[in-house]
Amino acid sequence: EAGVTQFPSHSVIEKGQTVTLRCDPISGHDNLYWYRRVMGKEIKFLLHFVKESKQDESGMPNNRFLAERTGGTYSTLKVQPAELEDSGVYFCASSQETGANYGYTFGSGTRLTVV
Amino acid sequence: KNQVEQSPQSLIILEGKNCTLQCNYTVSPFSNLRWYKQDTGRGPVSLTIMTFSENTKSNGRYTATLDADTKQSSLHITASQLSDSASYICVVNSGGSYIPTFGRGTSLIVHP
Repeated sequence: EAGVTQFPSHSVIEKGQTVTLRCDPISGHDNLYWYRRVMGKEIKFLLHFVKESKQDESGMPNNRFLAERTGGTYSTLKVQPAELEDSGVYFCASSQETGANYGYTFGSGTRLTVV
Repeated sequence: KNQVEQSPQSLIILEGKNCTLQCNYTVSPFSNLRWYKQDTGRGPVSLTIMTFSENTKSNGRYTATLDADTKQSSLHITASQLSDSASYICVVNSGGSYIPTFGRGTSLIVHP
């Protein structure tokens, strides 16, 4: 089965520009998560979709970040306008079930650099 | 505040040697603890999952231990191989939330 796919793998943009990251979860996985790792820090939760609904977006840093999952399939994470502190690796993960006992499958991440 | 601390931050060993990575956590209530391996440019991949009642769990050359009383876990790698070079991340799930708490990871480099 195909894993979690993220696109692009790398993105370098200027401060103030807009970037859209895409995640294709494993087919049939209703749960989709976005995480971010800022250099030198731990991976942190951003938000969680169950199908097309936002279950929890408590980790979103501010209103410059917008996540969507239209149709409950792939998801996009838009950063507009990007700031220097948004640089980091953005991971997407998916799971079939919700709950602490169920592991995620992570994508390879998108490395975002804002200059 | 839920926290996961890992040590050492980085480690360099020779191929064939053993090593042990440490994880201390303050997550409460505790549900389970996972060790992930993250190769450069890839996403984390789960190695082991341990619940409250489990003390030791092995996955090939990887053996994880858990002491729920002292809130400590370790990951022991036996007979290291070059392919073991990666970041090893300790992740703790709380019973009160499905959002896990990640450690910063230990960067392991295995030299020939």
